[in-house]
This record gives sequence, C-alpha cells and structure tokens, in this order.
Amino acid sequence: NAGVTQTPKFRVLKTGQSMTLLCAQDMNHEYMYWYRQDPGMGLRLIHYSVGEGTTAKGEVPDGYNVSRLKKQNFLLGLESAAPSQTSVYFCASSYMSGYGYTFGSGTRLTVV
Amino acid sequence: QQQVKQSPQSLIVQKGGIPIINCAYENTAFDYFPWYQQFPGKGPALLIAIRPDVSEKKEGRFTISFNKSAKQFSLHIMDSQPGDSATYFCAARGAQGGSEKLVFGKGTKLTVNP
Repeated sequence: NAGVTQTPKFRVLKTGQSMTLLCAQDMNHEYMYWYRQDPGMGLRLIHYSVGEGTTAKGEVPDGYNVSRLKKQNFLLGLESAAPSQTSVYFCASSYMSGYGYTFGSGTRLTVV
Repeated sequence: QQQVKQSPQSLIVQKGGIPIINCAYENTAFDYFPWYQQFPGKGPALLIAIRPDVSEKKEGRFTISFNKSAKQFSLHIMDSQPGDSATYFCAARGAQGGSEKLVFGKGTKLTVNP
C-alpha cells in the first residue's frame, strides 16, 4: 500500500545545477500534481497532469518543467536551480479532478 | 485569481479545548470543501470534507460548519488532544485552466498543550 512515493526525500543543490524529482503512484490515478510548500505561503501548484502524456501549468510554473510519460509517474525538473527554489515539494494524485488528493511525504530541497 | 483565505495562522489551546479554524472564499462556483491535516515531515492527508448543500458535517471529534450565504466554512476540533497538534489546510474545488483543482488556504499551525 505505497500510495504516492517521492524520491529523493532530501537534496542539496548548488545554484545552477539541475535535478529531477520523481513521483510514483500505484493507485491508477489519472490526475497528478506538483506543489511547493513554503512557510506562510501554503501549498502552491507548480504543474499538473490530467492523464498520461499531458501536462499543464499551475500557479507558479516558472523555473520548472514536468513530464508524464507513464501514467504512474510524474517528474518535476529543475533545469538551473536558484536559491528561490529552496522549498519542500509535494506530489499528489487523485482519482477524479479535484477530489481525493493523496499526497506523498515530500522532498526537502535546499539550493545554496 | 481564486483564493481561499484562512485564519488564524497559528493557534495554541489547552488539552480539551475547542480550536476553531476559519476559511473564507469568493468564488460561488466552488463545489467541494476539504480540510487536510499535516504532521511535521509528512504530506497533507484528507481529514474531512463537505459540499455546499450541507451546513454541518461531523466525523469523530472533527466538525465542519458551512455558511453558504457568508461564503465561509470552519473546522472545529472537540476535546482537542496533544496528538491533534499539526498544520491544518482548508481547500476548495473549482475550475482553473479547464479542469477542476483544489485551491488551498495558507494553513493554520495548531498546538495543543497537555
């Protein structure tokens, strides 16, 4: 009963480096989302997907790219990391649009 | 931009107290209002949810009160326990960019002292 699994759990990057965060779900959910959580800012949507092969921009997409080549996986990429991208990143999936979000346990990213 | 405004930012109560967290919204097209609970180091988890045609919903010690005319809803925690200490997020479901998604409040950090 894994649900939503995020890897890695922690990462420290230098400014300008790139990395990919992986989200995997085993619930056969169509919808997947990437959020970032910052103190006092709540959960802000970065990108989302409404099905395999689809992606769309959320509230704060700049500096990030995503891909959903397989239904169970949703990847979040940072091409050139900046200190402003220091945050905790959460992936979520849902069986219906806007309902029943299941979140992963998060990736804490620090950009120095 | 669609928003859900949540207050207070933080709340401290004694064990057995009844903390109340409030949320307000503008978009009358929102059709589903969940609350999420998040413990430190964990992802948010669905706690309880309500639809706008219902004025109150209870699940155990957790109650949502919904006031459609005022466009407000709140979470009450009866007989609060130290184990309820967490961050709570309200949310609302609405159409954005062609598909329905949740819009989250900024969260309330609740501390229940023994």
